[in-house]
Amino acid sequence: NAGVTQTPKFQVLKTGQSMTLQCAQDMNHEYMSWYRQDPGMGLRLIHYSVGAGITDQGEVPNGYNVSRSTTEDFPLRLLSAAPSQTSVYFCASIRPGGRGYTFGSGTRLTVV
Amino acid sequence: AQSVTQLDSQVPVFEEAPVELRCNYSSSVSVYLFWYVQYPNQGLQLLLKYLSGSTLVKGINGFEAEFNKSQTSFHLRKPSVHISDTAEYFCAVIVAGGTSYGKLTFGQGTILTVHP
Repeated sequence: NAGVTQTPKFQVLKTGQSMTLQCAQDMNHEYMSWYRQDPGMGLRLIHYSVGAGITDQGEVPNGYNVSRSTTEDFPLRLLSAAPSQTSVYFCASIRPGGRGYTFGSGTRLTVV
Repeated sequence: AQSVTQLDSQVPVFEEAPVELRCNYSSSVSVYLFWYVQYPNQGLQLLLKYLSGSTLVKGINGFEAEFNKSQTSFHLRKPSVHISDTAEYFCAVIVAGGTSYGKLTFGQGTILTVHP
């Protein structure tokens, strides 16, 4: 099925560990974004990309790294996990002029 | 920069009653407006969107929303809710074009609970 695929669905990390959240889409969308969802705060933009090789920071970029080597993939890297990064992470994509974002099913991350 | 305010964090309602979820936005440029729904432990699903044209927008599951430019509002309505409508609802805006296209800004969310 066409859409946005996120892996893993669940992850527990220890403080200081690093990891990569994977995101892939097969709709040839140029725009991709990472959001984190926290209770009462909605979804906040971490990083986004308007095409391969082009990324930019969103509202809450600290502690996260991204790269976009292909149109399909947009991984999110946690450099040194902190308890404040405990959250649900969503990846989303949209094509230029598109009429709505397509979201992945999310990754629930707990940092202990 | 644009911002979105959802005026109610929680809305309880009885089954078959009407409901309105309120959303106000702020932006110095033209925006597109969206409502998303999130069922428990799931991702976000697009309910409806306003891009241009008619200010009354109809979406899935019997929901509709009205864009009011003068009041900068985009309230979501349903005339008769079902238990299955229990979910969290997010209002969101995106700049209509330019280099900021792609940055979707969300409101804080409204939890709709439908009681039998």
